[in-house]
Amino acid sequence: GESVGLHLPTLSVQEGDNSIINCAYSNSASDYFIWYKQESGKGPQFIIDIRSNMDKRQGQRVTVLLNKTVKHLSLQIAATQPGDSAVYFCAEILSGSARQLTFGSGTQLTVLP
Amino acid sequence: EPEVTQTPSHQVTQMGQEVILRCVPISNHLYFYWYRQILGQKVEFLVSFYNNEISEKSEIFDDQFSVERPDGSNFTLKIRSTKLEDSAMYFCASSRDRGLEAFFGQGTRLTVV
Repeated sequence: GESVGLHLPTLSVQEGDNSIINCAYSNSASDYFIWYKQESGKGPQFIIDIRSNMDKRQGQRVTVLLNKTVKHLSLQIAATQPGDSAVYFCAEILSGSARQLTFGSGTQLTVLP
Repeated sequence: EPEVTQTPSHQVTQMGQEVILRCVPISNHLYFYWYRQILGQKVEFLVSFYNNEISEKSEIFDDQFSVERPDGSNFTLKIRSTKLEDSAMYFCASSRDRGLEAFFGQGTRLTVV
């Protein structure tokens, strides 16, 4: 069955506001998580990753939070820009696997002018 | 910046025909993957490939599918007898090491008619 899922299928935010995209996973054996951005007609693009021994990681304008207790992952985008409009997927990698990604269903982020 | 390239970008084929989707992974990467995405759905893992052999495959990757690395640069996915339900975007990905981020190509849109 599906082990990674998303709380909301769509999210609309005003340009300049912060965005928070959430993801729930069910496999406690996952040890690596990645957020991907997918623009229309393109392949998934890496945004940020986090290992299971961390609870927070920051990049440029993005922060990923990992709560292993409730198996929850979030992506925070600061000062959202029109170019951030895309589908965002969380993906997990199971410990000991061949390191393939298991993707969630995706959240469509729309940035409003 | 190095990237994964896929050809063709769009392939239309008749049901029952064989198709070969081609990928050139990033040159110093050792792990190769094929994923597919049916329109409007999440990205699904098909197969991973390392050291000239399949490391893991999903239930989707049945006997109709095969992968090959015929030379030092190409990585191919063959579907022997296409079905209508094989219509999807097929993404190739590569990574330098296990557990590191996978870089995705732009995808090949396969349409089976």
